[in-house]
Amino acid sequence: DIQMTQSPSSLSASVGDRVNITCRASQDISNYLAWFQQKPGKAPKSLIYAASSLQSGVPSKFSGSGSGTDFTLTISSLQPEDFATYYCQQYRTYPLTFGPGTKVDIK
Amino acid sequence: EVQLVESGGRLVQPGGSLRLSCTASGFTFVSFAMNWVRQAPGKGLEWVSLISGSAGETFYADSVKGRFTISRDNSKNTLYLQMNSLRAEDTAVYYCTKRGYSDSWGQGTLVTVSS
Repeated sequence: DIQMTQSPSSLSASVGDRVNITCRASQDISNYLAWFQQKPGKAPKSLIYAASSLQSGVPSKFSGSGSGTDFTLTISSLQPEDFATYYCQQYRTYPLTFGPGTKVDIK
Repeated sequence: EVQLVESGGRLVQPGGSLRLSCTASGFTFVSFAMNWVRQAPGKGLEWVSLISGSAGETFYADSVKGRFTISRDNSKNTLYLQMNSLRAEDTAVYYCTKRGYSDSWGQGTLVTVSS
């Protein structure tokens, strides 16, 4: 199975900060990588697929990059509505696997 | 607009069975693979199973293989998850999602396995 790791596991940031979240796969997954945002008590929301393609309706402050084993989600200017937990997921190989999540909260 | 509505979650005893449903609308259901993804209380996301659009292929997480069965009725735009031999560790909110990369999610249905 492909193991997904994320760093950091949590971070504190201020409104307006640029935030980077890293996701690493235990083997090459090409660009079969998705990112999700989840707020407390809500279903996850898709942000990015194919490592860097923005889901329809998602604001352009979110961007994704990477290929192979190392990936990054960037939020260019953090806003109050962006405080949430972010997950990556590989869909290159079954079983599909998620990262453990990165919680972004207010400094 | 894509809509996914799960139902069927409830309290069930260990060893019991349950069938979850997910009714889809707003897209051509038969054209897309569908998943079940679960989230235990206070925990992260765990992929459970995927079924291809034609239902010709199914895949499972090792944790549910042999106990859960995914299926779909394309004439009813409905996805199912038959859950047998339920264990306490199956307690979770179960989400249905569209496509391998889960571009759309339902609101989830809570399954609690407890005596």
